[in-house]
Amino acid sequence: GENVEQHPSTLSVQEGDSAVIKCTYSDSASNYFPWYKQELGKRPQLIIDIRSNVGEKKDQRIAVTLNKTAKHFSLHITETQPEDSAVYFCAASKGQAGTALIFGKGTTLSVSS
Amino acid sequence: SAVISQKPSRDICQRGTSLTIQCQVDSQVTMMFWYRQQPGQSLTLIATANQGSEATYESGFVIDKFPISRPNLTFSTLTVSNMSPEDSSIYLCSAAGGYTEAFFGQGTRLTVV
Repeated sequence: GENVEQHPSTLSVQEGDSAVIKCTYSDSASNYFPWYKQELGKRPQLIIDIRSNVGEKKDQRIAVTLNKTAKHFSLHITETQPEDSAVYFCAASKGQAGTALIFGKGTTLSVSS
Repeated sequence: SAVISQKPSRDICQRGTSLTIQCQVDSQVTMMFWYRQQPGQSLTLIATANQGSEATYESGFVIDKFPISRPNLTFSTLTVSNMSPEDSSIYLCSAAGGYTEAFFGQGTRLTVV
């Protein structure tokens, strides 16, 4: 079955720096790759996603890249702010988008001012 | 995006008892899922709730322990049966429609004593 590896498990940056989180997946049938942000005590919130027919997607300070050949995708956050501090999870679909998600173990991002 | 309501939001239960968690979506969705998130951990898929038929369980989860119902397109329940302290966790409902992204309910924080 699908397996998603996520690195690093913790990441500390200074405000204004960039942060990069990387994930790899195992199932070549996966075609949907969302990223979720989870603040303490709250539900996961979708922040950006990418589908397999696209190599890169950007939304303001957040971007995601996908390399289907290598089966890895990355989250890039630029100009980090203290409110970006949270746990970030990558996920891969078990098949087509709209199917179940397999999650990485998460990255705790700390942005210090 | 769909609005997903879960209840109860939290509960403390005696070991050996069962708890049923309800999940209501405000619009018709194709897929509904149940996840478990143990303290400080990632999300683990329990099962896909199928409308009008038996749920599809992931490895390590069985129907006798986690019976799931989905009587229509907008509602599902998860029962945690014969609970033990190891079942203490956050249980999350998720919904997705076709090629739309998955959203989460606020979660049910279960403590078994």
